[in-house]
Amino acid sequence: AQSVTQPDIHITVSEGASLELRCNYSYGATPYLFWYVQSPGQGLQLLLKYFSGDTLVQGIKGFEAEFKRSQSSFNLRKPSVHWSDAAEYFCAVGAATGGFKTIFGAGTRLFVKA
Amino acid sequence: KAGVTQTPRYLIKTRGQQVTLSCSPISGHRSVSWYQQTPGQGLQFLFEYFSETQRNKGNFPGRFSGRQFSNSRSEMNVSTLELGDSALYLCASSAGPSPDTIYFGEGSWLTVV
Repeated sequence: AQSVTQPDIHITVSEGASLELRCNYSYGATPYLFWYVQSPGQGLQLLLKYFSGDTLVQGIKGFEAEFKRSQSSFNLRKPSVHWSDAAEYFCAVGAATGGFKTIFGAGTRLFVKA
Repeated sequence: KAGVTQTPRYLIKTRGQQVTLSCSPISGHRSVSWYQQTPGQGLQFLFEYFSETQRNKGNFPGRFSGRQFSNSRSEMNVSTLELGDSALYLCASSAGPSPDTIYFGEGSWLTVV
């Protein structure tokens, strides 16, 4: 069965510091991978996605992620965090089983220190 | 292009009642998915519809049901509400039918008292 693991429930970084959020997935076929961000009281906004091709993908708001098939990972990175990045981040895998469903990790809450 | 629209945004129901939530997908999108989000369980997949057919279903009891109309709009229904059904219910749409990015609405906050 498909699954997504985000090992860190919450992370605190200082403004201006770099950020890496970890994500590991389990899926038998070529995965469709996503990162979404959710601000308080909001729906989920797509940051970036990987379907195929270049394993380093660029997203909105200065985020990037790297797909590593050998490690079943899709970690999200940002070189310099801004206070407005404080939010919850979800990694997800899209599975084509019968229909199509997107399975989400439990999320990582990011806190940014001034 | 308008995004995914969910109604109502907030509602309070009593245990034992039923509730119907509505979702209008992005124009041209034919796939609609529903998720339940709670602090303890994260985002749980409920079901996915494409062209009025349910293609995928998550591990929820039969009290949770849904449907999709010919204009791709979707509704989900929860009968005999329990306190544990209190959650944010999120609808997402994609162009479909192949695997694709899903785009979320802002959700419907359901409180069961």
